[in-house]
Amino acid sequence: DTAVSQTPKYLVTQMGNDKSIKCEQNLGHDTMYWYKQDSKKFLKIMFSYNNKELIINETVPNRFSPKSPDKAHLNLHINSLELGDSAVYFCASSQGTGRRVALHFGNGTRLTVT
Amino acid sequence: QQQVKQSPQSLIVQKGGISIINCAYENTAFDYFPWYQQFPGKGPALLIAIRPDVSEKKEGRFTISFNKSAKQFSLHIMDSQPGDSATYFCAASTGTASKLTFGTGTRLQVTL
Repeated sequence: DTAVSQTPKYLVTQMGNDKSIKCEQNLGHDTMYWYKQDSKKFLKIMFSYNNKELIINETVPNRFSPKSPDKAHLNLHINSLELGDSAVYFCASSQGTGRRVALHFGNGTRLTVT
Repeated sequence: QQQVKQSPQSLIVQKGGISIINCAYENTAFDYFPWYQQFPGKGPALLIAIRPDVSEKKEGRFTISFNKSAKQFSLHIMDSQPGDSATYFCAASTGTASKLTFGTGTRLQVTL
């Protein structure tokens, strides 16, 4: 199936640990994103990558680092996890970066930090 | 700073009724207004979108109404069905897709 897939679906970890979330898209898109959805369902962009280059980085702590080995993959590494990092993280992709492109989201990774 | 304000936060509609979700924006540079639909356990998916040079766009049972002077736009779901039960997000963008700003979401429940 063509889709944006991310793993794991659930991630439970303790404060201070380092974790990674993987994302892959087989839609042939050239731009990928990471979004954070908080407990109130608010969606906020964290990063986007276009042709393996970071093109936007919102005010995200540097404990978060995106890594893209190729244009089909965008992984998210989180160091020294904090309680406030608990959220659902969505990977998304699009063809191009124009304002009218459709974002295709994965099904999310629910991160719980205890 | 909330650039796109969405209401109501939750909405219960009977099957066959009309669901209406409203959004207001502040940034006059916004020039593309999509709506995304999110089912539980899934990621958001693009539902319908409108440009500011038209006042209405209809796709099946879903209609966007846009009022540029009031800086408001709304989603109407006609003949609402239980399968429409989801969270709906309005959004607005300018420049690039990375500048897409989402509203706070409306949880719609359609009852039998």
